[in-house]
Amino acid sequence: EADIYQTPRYLVIGTGKKITLECSQTMGHDKMYWYQQDPGMELHLIHYSYGVNSTEKGDLSSESTVSRIRTEHFPLTLESARPSHTSQYLCASSEPGDREETQYFGPGTRLLVL
Amino acid sequence: GQNIDQPTEMTATEGAIVQINCTYQTSGFNGLFWYQQHAGEAPTFLSYNVLDGLEEKGRFSSFLSRSKGYSYLLLKELQMKDSASYLCAVSDSNYQLIWGAGTKLIIKP
Repeated sequence: EADIYQTPRYLVIGTGKKITLECSQTMGHDKMYWYQQDPGMELHLIHYSYGVNSTEKGDLSSESTVSRIRTEHFPLTLESARPSHTSQYLCASSEPGDREETQYFGPGTRLLVL
Repeated sequence: GQNIDQPTEMTATEGAIVQINCTYQTSGFNGLFWYQQHAGEAPTFLSYNVLDGLEEKGRFSSFLSRSKGYSYLLLKELQMKDSASYLCAVSDSNYQLIWGAGTKLIIKP
């Protein structure tokens, strides 16, 4: 099972602030993902990466950016936070060939934008 | 479009058996996953099916019928700690997961 970490776990910020959510995994997985999940709702893919220097947009990517400079690190940046960004953000990683890329999740970051 | 359907909420009694259904329509199919998610926590992997039939793992079993676009998760000998949301997700032709909204399972003593 993957070890995957996210910081901060909770964040309260004001509208217009720039924030970066951190995600790191120690399993050497090539693929990493960012999801947004509201309570009782499905996960929505924001961004994903196939490996170093690879980033792809998901369904909700228009207001955020990611980078993948190192295999283990996949930070998500919101350039200008808005109340509509209030949600839980989940980072995941997977490895091709492992049960068709089973995804393993970090503990999540709960974001509140005032 | 792509769609995953599962009941919003189910209630069961401690010690009983419950079956959570999932139907799907996706562009391509590379397997179906079940995840458990306790309130406020991240999803954790439960099972993976890519061939038709039943996969058993302890108290949990998962069934798949690709021709019917249907799966179920069977939980036996329910315990209070099984109270959680159960997420069905299908890996599509690009190996991206399409997620259902989850079934909230409430266990009563």
